[in-house]
Amino acid sequence: EAGVVQSPRYKIIEKKQPVAFWCNPISGHNTLYWYRQNLGQGPELLIRYENEEAVDDSQLPKDRFSAERLKGVDSTLKIQPAELGDSAVYLCASSLEKAGGDYEQYFGPGTRLTVT
Amino acid sequence: AQSVTQLDSHVSVSEGTPVLLRCNYSSSYSPSLFWYVQHPNKGLQLLLKYTSAATLVKGINGFEAEFKKSETSFHLTKPSAHMSDAAEYFCVRKTSYDKVIFGPGTSLSVIP
Repeated sequence: EAGVVQSPRYKIIEKKQPVAFWCNPISGHNTLYWYRQNLGQGPELLIRYENEEAVDDSQLPKDRFSAERLKGVDSTLKIQPAELGDSAVYLCASSLEKAGGDYEQYFGPGTRLTVT
Repeated sequence: AQSVTQLDSHVSVSEGTPVLLRCNYSSSYSPSLFWYVQHPNKGLQLLLKYTSAATLVKGINGFEAEFKKSETSFHLTKPSAHMSDAAEYFCVRKTSYDKVIFGPGTSLSVIP
């Protein structure tokens, strides 16, 4: 079974440029998450989708970040324009929600973004 | 505020000795708790999870954790460390509103 796929794995851009990350979750998983992990810290949730609906985007900096999951499968996270402080690893995870909320998240390898 | 605390940012043990990674949570009820491991340049992997069943949870690679409600703790242990255990470990909780909160992580070093 294929795991969570993310691309690109690495991205270097200059500040003020746009950047996009792509995630394909495990087949059949209805819930998709985007996290940001700064160096030496734990991941922080940016947005959570249940199917195509964003059910928690409270931590997403909406002035420059956007995300979509149009068909409830793969997802794109965009930053425009990027700032130096956006340098981090962006992680995508997926899960199959079960009744009672007992679930496991499966993580992709992440995209390491460097903004210069 | 609901949070996860990992008391040690770094733990160093000798190969073959026990491992203890500490985790405390703040909550007024019994949450769902997880331990994830992150090896360098690899994705996060679930070690084990507690979801209000048995308080002693066994995971992969010989790890286990015990949920203690009275101490609001969910410490991760392993009887004998292996070199391959060197990694970053994250304690994670899920709230009643399905919000997932990661702890700051504990870096485990294993000395030959």
